[in-house]
Amino acid sequence: AQTVTQSQPEMSVQEAETVTLSCTYDTSESDYYLFWYKQPPSRQMILVIRQEAYKQQNATENRFSVNFQKAAKSFSLKISDSQLGDAAMYFCAYRSWGGANSKLTFGKGITLSVRP
Amino acid sequence: GAVVSQHPSWVICKSGTSVKIECRSLDFQATTMFWYRQFPKQSLMLMATSNEGSKATYEQGVEKDKFLINHASLTLSTLTVTSAHPEDSSFYICSARSGGGNEQFFGPGTRLTVL
Repeated sequence: AQTVTQSQPEMSVQEAETVTLSCTYDTSESDYYLFWYKQPPSRQMILVIRQEAYKQQNATENRFSVNFQKAAKSFSLKISDSQLGDAAMYFCAYRSWGGANSKLTFGKGITLSVRP
Repeated sequence: GAVVSQHPSWVICKSGTSVKIECRSLDFQATTMFWYRQFPKQSLMLMATSNEGSKATYEQGVEKDKFLINHASLTLSTLTVTSAHPEDSSFYICSARSGGGNEQFFGPGTRLTVL
């Protein structure tokens, strides 16, 4: 079974600074997806970024980018120019490549606070 | 992105009663729907996976007779908490995926409080 580990329960960043959230995972599969989700106080889950394991290029979405190290099974999220609206709980997630019913496996999450 | 709605957004009920939560995909056909439970400051715990027209597949430790899931159409799934007890109080989130899609879309969640 796949596991996702987020070892830092909380982090804090100064507004406009950069912060990196860590995530490691364990799998025996070669093809899979990795995700970062944001859950603000409203508790609506929002997809931040997605990475397909076969792609060597790290995914980027505006101020959000990942450092995907397949061999090390590491998938960290970098948030640049942090904004107050970035304060939320962030979850790293894994999903197998195939199958309509393939499930998301979530990490425990990390609470990010942004200091003005 | 696609929209998933949940109704109600919050509900309070008495112990022993049943509560139904609806999950709808508003602008796409959801061949697969997922139901999660989340306690405060914790991660999402998958309860079950359902496909339209089929019986739901429940995760280990989830009582299928207590948490009834129906996925009768490609746009609607329901979760019924039967004979609710205070320990069932939680935040319930549904999620939907279309057959050919890679992305999974989440509903806004339903807060259930059982008195």
